[in-house]
Amino acid sequence: DIQVTQSPSSLSASVGDRVTITCRPSQGSSIYLAWYQQKPGKVPKLLIYDATTLQSGVPSRFSGSRSGTDFTLTISSLQPEDVATYYCQRYHSAPLTFGGGTKVEIK
Amino acid sequence: EVQLMESGGSLVQSGGSLRLSCAASGFTFSNYAMNWVRQAPRKGLEWVSSIGGDGVYTYYTDSVKGRFTISRDNSESTLYLQMSSLSAEDTAVYYCAKGLGTESYYMEVWGKGTTVTVSS
Repeated sequence: DIQVTQSPSSLSASVGDRVTITCRPSQGSSIYLAWYQQKPGKVPKLLIYDATTLQSGVPSRFSGSRSGTDFTLTISSLQPEDVATYYCQRYHSAPLTFGGGTKVEIK
Repeated sequence: EVQLMESGGSLVQSGGSLRLSCAASGFTFSNYAMNWVRQAPRKGLEWVSSIGGDGVYTYYTDSVKGRFTISRDNSESTLYLQMSSLSAEDTAVYYCAKGLGTESYYMEVWGKGTTVTVSS
């Protein structure tokens, strides 16, 4: 069973802080991974795909990177409108498993 | 404007069946893979199933294999999810999501979802 470990499960940071979320799929070293943002009461939104490619219209303060088997979503300067739950999703082949989510709040 | 509108969700008894639909507009439907994702109350996202643009390739999460069938009617720009042998664990909001390409399953645009409630 393919797992995707996402950490932390929640975090609280101040406006302007740099925030990082990590995701580690249990299998494979593929570059195929996506990040989604789900604001409270809203549908998810694609932020990044292929681990590092910013989806059109997404602010440049969001970025994705990879180091070995760890994938990272970085918000360079946290804004109030970034309050949301963030999910990673492995993509290389089925199952397209989501991580458990990271809830981001403002301190 | 790309739009996805799910329908078909309802309250159903355990063991029952349901068919969800997702009406698409604003893009050439046959050129894009499509996905179903669900979210149980107060839980995270769970990928359910995906289908390529021409409908040839289909994929399912293990928990729904043999019970759910994904299909599409490209002439009607509609995606379907036929669900059977439903249990309480299938209770969720079901979203359809448009892929980035014919065989690209990244979920670029999401519908607002339709709610399936399975009573035991």
